[in-house]
Amino acid sequence: KQEVTQIPAALSVPEGENLVLNCSFTDSAIYNLQWFRQDPGKGLTSLLLIQSSQREQTSGRLNASLDKSSGRSTLYIAASQPGDSATYLCAVSTGSEKLVFGKGTKLTVNP
Amino acid sequence: ETGVTQSPTHLIKTRGQQVTLRCSSQSGHNTVSWYQQALGQGPQFIFQYYREEENGRGNFPPRFSGLQFPNYSSELNVNALELDDSALYLCASSFGGYLTDTQYFGPGTRLTVL
Repeated sequence: KQEVTQIPAALSVPEGENLVLNCSFTDSAIYNLQWFRQDPGKGLTSLLLIQSSQREQTSGRLNASLDKSSGRSTLYIAASQPGDSATYLCAVSTGSEKLVFGKGTKLTVNP
Repeated sequence: ETGVTQSPTHLIKTRGQQVTLRCSSQSGHNTVSWYQQALGQGPQFIFQYYREEENGRGNFPPRFSGLQFPNYSSELNVNALELDDSALYLCASSFGGYLTDTQYFGPGTRLTVL
């Protein structure tokens, strides 16, 4: 059974700091990995999608990497801003047509 | 191009009642997936519909059922509500039922069971 773990559960940083969020999964047989952002009480916004054949994806200040063999992904946020405060979720796509999510990392960026 | 929409936004029910949640998929998408997100947890997969047929189901009891209509909108029905059914219910749409497709999520329906 695929399990996804995100570390840390919560993170508080000052504005401008570069930071890394971690995601690990137990079964390397995935089709893709997605990073999402969720604001309190809201739906999910897709940030980056990495196909299993890819190593990384970049969008603006965000960079996500994927090491399928070791079951790890990282989300790097450069020059963090207070508007980046949210919960970040990673999810892997499995062969049973579903996404398996971690519990998320709650990020607070302090002005 | 319209995004994924869900209704209602919030809902309060009592234990034992039945509820129907609705989802309109993004324009051009023919696949809808439903997820349950309890407070402080990641979303959990309930089921997926592709071209009006169920196309995968998670570990949820039969009292959770769904439909997809010819216009690819979808409903999630939950019978005999329990307190633990209180959660944010999210639907997501994608095109083609392919595993490599990005799923686009709606804003969710917050269900409270008293």
